[in-house]
Amino acid sequence: AQSVAQPEDQVNVAEGNPLTVKCTYSVSGNPYLFWYVQYPNRGLQFLLKYITGDNLVKGSYGFEAEFNKSQTSFHLKKPSALVSDSALYFCAVRALYSGAGSYQLTFGKGTKLSVIP
Amino acid sequence: DADVTQTPRNRITKTGKRIMLECSQTKGHDRMYWYRQDPGLGLRLIYYSFDVKDINKGEISDGYSVSRQAQAKFSLSLESAIPNQTALYFCATSDVGQSDTQYFGPGTRLTVL
Repeated sequence: AQSVAQPEDQVNVAEGNPLTVKCTYSVSGNPYLFWYVQYPNRGLQFLLKYITGDNLVKGSYGFEAEFNKSQTSFHLKKPSALVSDSALYFCAVRALYSGAGSYQLTFGKGTKLSVIP
Repeated sequence: DADVTQTPRNRITKTGKRIMLECSQTKGHDRMYWYRQDPGLGLRLIYYSFDVKDINKGEISDGYSVSRQAQAKFSLSLESAIPNQTALYFCATSDVGQSDTQYFGPGTRLTVL
């Protein structure tokens, strides 16, 4: 079975400082990895994904994520946090294979990011 | 994502009532999903559909049913609502040609009293 762990329920960072939101995963075979952001009273918005290729993936709003196969991690990063980045962030994984169950996207429990002015 | 709409956005109902949540999309995607979100639990898959003739149970389908009326429409029903079905419900769509990246609607907040 596949799983995602987001070890921090909440991350606080000062505006202008770099931010990291952690994610580790478990899946059979190679993974598809995703980050989504949820603002208050809104649906989930796709930020970025890793399918294959370069381990550093760039996405929307200046976010990037680094895929580390040996550590089974996919941490979300941003060089300089903005107050407007405050939101709930979800990491998700699915297996890179076709077949029964290959559709299923498994989400972490989410990390609340608070950027302090 | 404005291409995926959900109605209603908020609903309060009573135990035992039948409720239908509707989802429509203009993205042209074949695949559609229903999730529920509970605080501290992330998102859990209820049902999914790969095309109009295909319906599959997800992780937590008990107490729910779905209907795929057309490529663009996917409805979730609670036949007899109970309080522990109080949650935020999301519809999502994906296209296998885009690595099945899922795009979400704005959500329906359902409260069962």
